Amino acid sequence: TQLLEQSPQFLSIQEGENLTVYCNSSSVFSSLQWYRQEPGEGPVLLVTVVTGGEVKKLKRLTFQFGDARKDSSLHITAAQPGDTGLYLCAALPMNRDDKIIFGKGTRLHILP
Amino acid sequence: DAGITQSPRHKVTETGTPVTLRCHQTENHRYMYWYRQDPGHGLRLIHYSYGVKDTDKGEVSDGYSVSRSKTEDFLLTLESATSSQTSVYFCAISLQGYEQYFGPGTRLTVT
Repeated sequence: TQLLEQSPQFLSIQEGENLTVYCNSSSVFSSLQWYRQEPGEGPVLLVTVVTGGEVKKLKRLTFQFGDARKDSSLHITAAQPGDTGLYLCAALPMNRDDKIIFGKGTRLHILP
Repeated sequence: DAGITQSPRHKVTETGTPVTLRCHQTENHRYMYWYRQDPGHGLRLIHYSYGVKDTDKGEVSDGYSVSRSKTEDFLLTLESATSSQTSVYFCAISLQGYEQYFGPGTRLTVT
């Protein structure tokens, strides 16, 4: 069974600080997505990374796909209260017959 | 935003009653999915569809059935609801089978 481990599970920091959350696996994936979910809503797709070592930026958010395509990180610079939410990573296995799998998420709370 | 709606948004039902949740999309995406989200478990795939009348089971399909008679609609049925099926249910759509766009969710409580 392929698993995605996200760490930390919970993170509470002050506005203006930087943070990094991780998504790790022992399996190789063809692509990986990051989603953000706010309370009472469905997850919203933030980014997809496909190539090993790929880095994508979305304003203050930087996403990186590991060189071996087994892991990913999300770095937030100068966190703001609007960044509060549940961050989920999801990965598509190399075998296209297998369905996308989700990590359990990192719950981030930015204190004003 | 993807055009995807779920109905009802909230439902309370009694154990043993049948329940049907509806997912409707206006994007003409091929793939549709039903997930449940529970604390400590994250998102778990119940069933999915890769075309009209083409469906398959996910990791937690016991007690659930689905139907897709039109591209835009994907129905999830709990034949006889149990308390363990109390959860938040999300529908998602995908054009190519990986990037997914989620609906707003249905909160189901089985008493």
